[in-house]
Amino acid sequence: NAGVTQTPKFRVLKTGQSMTLLCAQDMNHEYMYWYRQDPGMGLRLIHYSVGEGTTAKGEVPDGYNVSRLKKQNFLLGLESAAPSQTSVYFCASTQRRGTAYEQYFGPGTRLTVT
Amino acid sequence: AQSVTQLDSQVPVFEEAPVELRCNYSSSVSVYLFWYVQYPNQGLQLLLKYLSGSTLVKGINGFEAEFNKSQTSFHLRKPSVHISDTAEYFCAGGAGGTSYGKLTFGQGTILTVHP
Repeated sequence: NAGVTQTPKFRVLKTGQSMTLLCAQDMNHEYMYWYRQDPGMGLRLIHYSVGEGTTAKGEVPDGYNVSRLKKQNFLLGLESAAPSQTSVYFCASTQRRGTAYEQYFGPGTRLTVT
Repeated sequence: AQSVTQLDSQVPVFEEAPVELRCNYSSSVSVYLFWYVQYPNQGLQLLLKYLSGSTLVKGINGFEAEFNKSQTSFHLRKPSVHISDTAEYFCAGGAGGTSYGKLTFGQGTILTVHP
């Protein structure tokens, strides 16, 4: 199993450009999450999904949109990139049932907005 | 509001010395607690987790943590560190129930092991 994969690994955007980050998981997990990681701030939740066709806002959703058309994929979109969105983005997933909401993480996407 | 606080942003230590990374949590996130490790330019990897039962939890790479409900702490320890333990460590908590598995992360602690 590949686990959680993210594409692309790196990207440089100019202010105002748009892009989509793709997250894919092959563990049949119900729940998926998008985080951003900034120095000294830990990981902050952007959006999450509890199943195919459903999404919800997290702690820092402004400037981002998401879609979950297929259970295994969770897309994060930036419609008009801003320098404040320069960050490392992580996708994670977890199973719906069981005792542990242990999240499995992808390798991250490093985004720079100039 | 839920919160997880890591009390040290950086911890330098010499190889083979013991180390403790401190984590406090608010009572609203006390159901599940985790420690993750992030090596440079990589994603997060689970070190250990506390779900219920024994308050002393053992994880991978010789790490362990103790859940202390009265002090609302979940400190991570290792009796003898190696150079390869140099990484950033994150404490995280989840409330279970209808929280949909969401976790609240601490700010991270950078552990640097010197030879």
